Amino acid sequence: KQEVTQIPAALSVPEGENLVLNCSFTDSAIYNLQWFRQDPGKGLTSLLLIQSSQREQTSGRLNASLDKSSGRSTLYIAASQPGDSATYLCAVSDSGNTPLVFGKGTRLSVIA
Amino acid sequence: DVKVTQSSRYLVKRTGEKVFLECVQDMDHENMFWYRQDPGLGLRLIYFSYDVKMKEKGDIPEGYSVSREKKERFSLILESASTNQTSMYLCASSQTGSRSYEQYFGPGTRLTVT
Repeated sequence: KQEVTQIPAALSVPEGENLVLNCSFTDSAIYNLQWFRQDPGKGLTSLLLIQSSQREQTSGRLNASLDKSSGRSTLYIAASQPGDSATYLCAVSDSGNTPLVFGKGTRLSVIA
Repeated sequence: DVKVTQSSRYLVKRTGEKVFLECVQDMDHENMFWYRQDPGLGLRLIYFSYDVKMKEKGDIPEGYSVSREKKERFSLILESASTNQTSMYLCASSQTGSRSYEQYFGPGTRLTVT
C-alpha cells in the first residue's frame, strides 16, 4: 500500500530564505504527484502537479521536482515571505482517476 | 476556474442525528471524492465516485454513506452521527480524460458532533 512521508513536520525560517520541503513515497509506480497549500481552517489549494513522465514544474517562486525511481519529490520555495506561512501537503495518485494518498504535511512559518 | 463548493463551512450536530454534507462542482468532472482530515492522521479517504450512481469505498467508510444522483453533486451522509466523526470534511473533484487528472478541493466543512 502506498505511503507518503513528509519531513520535516514543521519548519520555521526567516523571511527571504530559500527553503526545500521534502516528500517521499514507497511505491514508485505513480501517475502524478501534487503539492498543495492549506491555510489554517481552510481547504486545499493546488500549487503544482507533476506527471510521472516529468522531472519538474515551476510556478513563480515555487519549483517542484520529481525523482520517481527513488520515490522522492521536493518543493523549493525561493525568497520566502510571511505570506508563505501555511501547511504544505504532498499527495500521489497511482493512476489517473484514483484517489490521492497524502502525506501529513509540513507546517511552514516564515518569520518577518 | 474550477469551483468546488461545500454546503456549510461550520456545522454543529448532536449525537445520533443524520447529517448531510453536500458538495457541488461546476466543471462537469466525472470523479468526486470525500476525505476527512484529523490532526496527526492527515487526510483519509472516505468514499469516491467515478460517475453518477457509482460509488467506491475508501479507507474509512464505516458510519458513512454517499449519494451521487447528479454528476455535479456528491453527498456524504452520516447515518447516525457520533462524537468520533467530529472532523474537517473535504470534497474534491477531477476530470477523467484530462491529461493531468488534477484534483480540485472545496473549502471544507468543519463538523462538530456533541
